[in-house]
Amino acid sequence: SAVISQKPSRDICQRGTSLTIQCQVDSQVTMMFWYRQQPGQSLTLIATANQGSEATYESGFVIDKFPISRPNLTFSTLTVSNMSPEDSSIYLCSVEFPGAGNEQFFGPGTRLTVL
Amino acid sequence: GQNIDQPTEMTATEGAIVQINCTYQTSGFNGLFWYQQHAGEAPTFLSYNVLDGLEEKGRFSSFLSRSKGYSYLLLKELQMKDSASYLCAVSHTGGFKTIFGAGTRLFVKA
Repeated sequence: SAVISQKPSRDICQRGTSLTIQCQVDSQVTMMFWYRQQPGQSLTLIATANQGSEATYESGFVIDKFPISRPNLTFSTLTVSNMSPEDSSIYLCSVEFPGAGNEQFFGPGTRLTVL
Repeated sequence: GQNIDQPTEMTATEGAIVQINCTYQTSGFNGLFWYQQHAGEAPTFLSYNVLDGLEEKGRFSSFLSRSKGYSYLLLKELQMKDSASYLCAVSHTGGFKTIFGAGTRLFVKA
């Protein structure tokens, strides 16, 4: 395993603004993913962050709303754009390590509240 | 498409055994995970089944039947700290992504 950190841990934002969430891993990883977990619900995959190319988005999620960067093998960002109260959620990054099978390790999450 | 079903809530008594079932329908099945998630925390890995059969790890065991699209998580000697949500998740061969079920909230009572 490794240490996965997310910034910010929580934020309260105004409608119409944007927030960028950072995910940092202390070792190189092959796969990084971004999930959303709305209150009382399970995790929904937003996208797979690909190093050196565009992210792969799941149905219902688009790049204009959730732009993702992955400049290297240890770091990724997710931006929640033009926020509305419906975007209030916990956003989690997760990683897979080479040789660790398909097990995913999760960051601590970013709790976002949009007013 | 894909579909993962598990009970919404379960209640069990401290010291008892509880079985949490999960059924799934998906294409490109690679394996099945169980994760534990305490309120306000990130999910943590419990088990991963690729082949049919039972995998035992301490008080927790996980079973998979690929032909039936069925898995269960068995928790023995329940403790109060086992009160949490248990997430069944399916790993896909396409894109190596993992899709999560809605989770089962387990309440352990004294």
